[in-house]
Amino acid sequence: EIVLTQSPDFQSVTPKEKVTFTCRASQSIGTSLHWYQQKPDQSPKLLIKYASQSFSGVPSRFSGSGSGTDFTLTINSLEAEDAATYYCHQSSSLPHTFGQGTKLEIK
Amino acid sequence: QITLKEAGPTLVRPTQTLTLSCTLSAFSFTTGGVAVGWIRQPPGKALEWLALIYWDDDKRYSPSLKGRLTITKDPSKNQVVLTMSNMDPVDTGTYYCALASGIPEFGYFFDYWGQGTLVTVSS
Repeated sequence: EIVLTQSPDFQSVTPKEKVTFTCRASQSIGTSLHWYQQKPDQSPKLLIKYASQSFSGVPSRFSGSGSGTDFTLTINSLEAEDAATYYCHQSSSLPHTFGQGTKLEIK
Repeated sequence: QITLKEAGPTLVRPTQTLTLSCTLSAFSFTTGGVAVGWIRQPPGKALEWLALIYWDDDKRYSPSLKGRLTITKDPSKNQVVLTMSNMDPVDTGTYYCALASGIPEFGYFFDYWGQGTLVTVSS
């Protein structure tokens, strides 16, 4: 089973700043890595598919990069509505797995 | 607009079997190259992938729960059903169904999610 490790576990930033989260896979997964945003008491929403492809309707301030074992999610010019927990998910091999999440607080 | 809605009991006794259904709207199982998955989330914790059923009825399960899980689909009702046997309090959490799309060679992502249903396991 592929383990995804996200860092940091928690980050607090001010509006308009830029933030970057990382997701590291325990073995190479190519670009089969996806990012989701989950706000409190809501279901997750897909942001980025296959490491760098934005999902339809996602604001352009969200971007992803990486391949192999190291991936990043970047949010430019943070807005208050971006407060959420962000999860990475690998679909390279079964079973699919999720990272433990990074909680983002907007000061 | 594709929507998914989970349904099932909110309270289950230990050792009982949980049965959850996921009804999809604006979707047809004749659509090739898609799958429907189940993901759960214990209170305050991370997401956990449980099972996936493909359009061609191929099925995959989490190894840690295999033996307890069964996933089936009923195209006539546009439904996917998950059963989990021998429920335990550690199985308490929100259970989501989600539509999976993508490129088979690179695996599927979950692009549409249900609202989730909270299941509590307690005597």
